[in-house]
This record gives sequence, C-alpha cells and structure tokens, in this order.
Amino acid sequence: NAGVTQTPKFQVLKTGQSMTLQCAQDMNHEYMSWYRQDPGMGLRLIHYSVGAGITDQGEVPNGYNVSRSTTEDFPLRLLSAAPSQTSVYFCASSYSTSGRGHEQYFGPGTRLTVT
Amino acid sequence: AQKVTQAQTEISVVEKEDVTLDCVYETRDTTYYLFWYKQPPSGELVFLIRRNSFDEQNEISGRYSWNFQKSTSSFNFTITASQVVDSAVYFCALSEVGNDYKLSFGAGTTVTVRA
Repeated sequence: NAGVTQTPKFQVLKTGQSMTLQCAQDMNHEYMSWYRQDPGMGLRLIHYSVGAGITDQGEVPNGYNVSRSTTEDFPLRLLSAAPSQTSVYFCASSYSTSGRGHEQYFGPGTRLTVT
Repeated sequence: AQKVTQAQTEISVVEKEDVTLDCVYETRDTTYYLFWYKQPPSGELVFLIRRNSFDEQNEISGRYSWNFQKSTSSFNFTITASQVVDSAVYFCALSEVGNDYKLSFGAGTTVTVRA
C-alpha cells in the first residue's frame, strides 16, 4: 500500500492563481481531511469528508473548495491564491476502530508558497 | 469547542537528559481521545499514541511515557534519556467521540537535543 499520497510536494503560486492539491489513499478509508500547518498554530482543519459525495467545512475553510467523487481521492482547490494561504498542507485519511476512535494516516505534505 | 494548549514553544536539552512536554486540553465532552504526534525535520507526521478518556492509566513505550490526568485536563509526554534523534516538533491533539475523525492540535513544542 502507498498509504496517503500528496502531489505536488512543493508549489509556488502568484497571487490570484488557482491550483489543486491532490490527495489519494489506497486503504479504502471512508474519512479524509485537509489540514494546514502554520508556525505557532499547529495544524488546523480546512475541510473534511465522511465518505464519497459528502464534504463539510472545518475550522479554516475560507478560500478553499473540496469535492469527493471517489473514496480514494480528495483534492483541495485554491480558486484565487492569496499570500495568507502560504502554508504546509497535510491530507489525512482515517477509519473507525470499534471503541478506539479513528486511526489517522497523514500524507507527506505539500509546501505551498504564494507570492 | 475544544482547545489544546502546549505552553512550551521550544525546549533545548543535552543528550541523555529527560524532557517533559506539557499538554492541557479543554473540551465539553466527557468522552474524547488524546494523541501525540512527532514531526521530525523531514516534515512528516508520525503517530506516537492515542489515549481514550476512559483510560487514565499511564503508558510507557520504550523511552517514551505519557501521564494522563483527567482532573487537571493534562496529557503530558516524557522522553527519558533523550537522544539527538528525538529532535522534532511534538504535537498534542484531541478529538471528540462521535467526531473523532476531526483533530484539534496544539501549537506544538520544538524539542532540540544537543549532543
């Protein structure tokens, strides 16, 4: 299993450009999430999905769109990049273990810089 | 709303010293999960432990140990006899049962172990 994969690893955008961060998992996990990591703030939840066709907003959703057409893929779209979106983005997938909560698997991250 | 506070921003120790990382959390729920993750300089997130709020037993895994105290809403992490390879950012996180696919992270503590 490849686990959770993210592409690209690094990306530089100009303000106003759009792009999609890709995330895929091959573990047949129902749940997938996007987090952003900023210095001094830990990781914050952007959007999440509890299954194909179902998405919802996390703590910091503004400026991002998501969709989940398949179990495997959960892309994150930036429609008009802003310097405030400079961050490291992590995708995660998880499944529920009976009585033990979710086992989260994180991707390697995408480092995005918006100039 | 849930909140995780890691008051220590940075800790620097000399190899073989013990280091304790503090984590204090807030949640309205009576059942929840607590986590610790390690982020080495390479950037990936490494899962260390998950603890159910029902289980207040302390846990030891090699040089790592965790002290969960519900009365003070704390879940502290101790590295015994630290090594240079322990240099990393450590995150404490919380999820609530029923929404346990969503993690709330603390800001992280950077641990530097000097040879």
